Amino acid sequence: DSGVTQTPKHLITATGQRVTLRCSPRSGDLSVYWYQQSLDQGLQFLIQYYNGEERAKGNILERFSAQQFPDLHSELNLSSLELGDSALYFCASSETSLYQPQHFGDGTRLSIL
Amino acid sequence: AQTVTQSQPEMSVQEAETVTLSCTYDTSESDYYLFWYKQPPSRQMILVIRQEAYKQQNATENRFSVNFQKAAKSFSLKISDSQLGDAAMYFCAYRGGGADGLTFGKGTHLIIQP
Repeated sequence: DSGVTQTPKHLITATGQRVTLRCSPRSGDLSVYWYQQSLDQGLQFLIQYYNGEERAKGNILERFSAQQFPDLHSELNLSSLELGDSALYFCASSETSLYQPQHFGDGTRLSIL
Repeated sequence: AQTVTQSQPEMSVQEAETVTLSCTYDTSESDYYLFWYKQPPSRQMILVIRQEAYKQQNATENRFSVNFQKAAKSFSLKISDSQLGDAAMYFCAYRGGGADGLTFGKGTHLIIQP
């Protein structure tokens, strides 16, 4: 158990819809990272938050957004969903934004019908 | 942009033998970190081993060790005494000193033959 909690584990929805994925980092971790794993693109870094502030952006689409709340949990919002957004979405956390390794949650499997 | 290449889509090894997974990367940074993650069929991402680029000594974690060749930009993972539980996808990952997210390779599927 990594200590990172992601909900829900599975999500099935339709094209054009909007969903919110939730992540609770390990106790004491200030940094949260979101990743997308798909067959086409592999594992891609989407975005990082550190103590409530956006720290780094990767290959995140404009239809996607995220935030980190004062209690350090984070949400990833995906809107105007397309079939190609079907993927496994991981959240990871680390103590700071420096060298400490990132610990991954179990992921949310998103299926777009 | 940094890139990570894993040239072996799939590897197979007999139980109790040793296997080496290859990884090369491309970067212009001098300060960075390298990682190997394991993803079993359960889909969890499990950290196996990590290496700081400024350290010349290769990292070791029990049966797992790395061969880090900074000049060649190579970071291979050696698994000794392979066990059935080692069967998984293995991902090599790079993280720059600017502390962005991880850049992953495409992965190597490791099969353990009993």
